[in-house]
Amino acid sequence: KNQVEQSPQSLIILEGKNCTLQCNYTVSPFSNLRWYKQDTGRGPVSLTIMTFSENTKSNGRYTATLDADTKQSSLHITASQLSDSASYICVVSAGNNNNDMRFGAGTRLTVKP
Amino acid sequence: EAQVTQNPRYLITVTGKKLTVTCSQNMNHEYMSWYRQDPGLGLRQIYYSMNVEVTDKGDVPEGYKVSRKEKRNFPLILESPSPNQTSLYFCASSLLGLGNQPQHFGDGTRLSIL
Repeated sequence: KNQVEQSPQSLIILEGKNCTLQCNYTVSPFSNLRWYKQDTGRGPVSLTIMTFSENTKSNGRYTATLDADTKQSSLHITASQLSDSASYICVVSAGNNNNDMRFGAGTRLTVKP
Repeated sequence: EAQVTQNPRYLITVTGKKLTVTCSQNMNHEYMSWYRQDPGLGLRQIYYSMNVEVTDKGDVPEGYKVSRKEKRNFPLILESPSPNQTSLYFCASSLLGLGNQPQHFGDGTRLSIL
């Protein structure tokens, strides 16, 4: 069973609208959580990284939140643009190993004009 | 420009014909890793390397080999490719101490094994 579950699998929104993507995890012990954006035909690019003590972090129109108690994270995209169309991947690192990362399957976002 | 470069970007080949996918990074990163990405499964780690001459298996290492003779290069070798290795492959690198370091990914290599 994957230890990182993302929802929804896919999402279609109109340009200019906001949206929120969800990431639930069971990885333990927790070290950090990252959100990546993956454009079609490209490798993932880091958006945010949050550690246990951080509950919100922004990168332009992207805002990630983390609730370490409920083991949930969200990525909120404000005033969406066509260029936001991509897959968004949640990655959770365990605290016991420099290499222990668990990847979510991603949410495919399509922004339509 | 800081980057991770993979070659080739696309390859169609036949079962059993050995192939190598190269990966090179120019950021002096200690850590490098290979992943495969399949629909609905997300990224799965094949092999990783903490530094020169230090490599270890990830979650799905069967059918793959790697080497790390130089810090900048981390080739992925398929000695006898099979159709179930048809996938999209990504190489990534980062500074050691993954705690707060983002991974930098290449743009991927799409392999089709017939």
